[in-house]
Amino acid sequence: RKEVEQDPGPFNVPEGATVAFNCTYSNSASQSFFWYRQDCRKEPKLLMSVYSSGNEDGRFTAQLNRASQYISLLIRDSKLSDSATYLCVVSKDTGRRALTFGSGTRLQVQP
Amino acid sequence: GAGVSQTPSNKVTEKGKYVELRCDPISGHTALYWYRQSLGQGPEFLIYFQGTGAADDSGLPNDRFFAVRPEGSVSTLKIQRTERGDSAVYLCASSLAGGPNEQFFGPGTRLTVL
Repeated sequence: RKEVEQDPGPFNVPEGATVAFNCTYSNSASQSFFWYRQDCRKEPKLLMSVYSSGNEDGRFTAQLNRASQYISLLIRDSKLSDSATYLCVVSKDTGRRALTFGSGTRLQVQP
Repeated sequence: GAGVSQTPSNKVTEKGKYVELRCDPISGHTALYWYRQSLGQGPEFLIYFQGTGAADDSGLPNDRFFAVRPEGSVSTLKIQRTERGDSAVYLCASSLAGGPNEQFFGPGTRLTVL
């Protein structure tokens, strides 16, 4: 079983739609949680950290449920430029050292 | 400022050959990480340096893989006796001291072993 599991998608949504991605992690010792974005044939880039209290950055909202070991990302008012692969990432220590990535969920926003 | 750079961007080699992949981190970043990414998968951790020393090499798949960072800046990932299964994109990342700091990734080296 993979340490971080994500639905690979693709999620095909129209512009303006709201879309939600989920992931689960198996290691209860995980301490830090993130969403990274990766464009085709590019490097991953940090989208946002995820906190237990939930956090929002513009159109993006991330939630963490430690009891269920579940992380979510909500994108409101999707833009064409949101099309990418979204990687769910956990780390075992607060030092953000070795990151464990999920396989990613592909999002395609259509005009 | 300049981001993480990696050379070469592409490397094609034959099975059994030796390869070296180079990473130049962001200036001032003391922590450096190597990951590899196979098609359709997320990056997989290989090794982490804090300064010149390998603080965590638990992700190296076997003893054909080795990495160095002799002066605490540039790092080289070395793969001996390459196998077809080593084909992947090798990503390097750097961050300020290995505490709670964002890891910035380089563009990667695409390694193809024929």
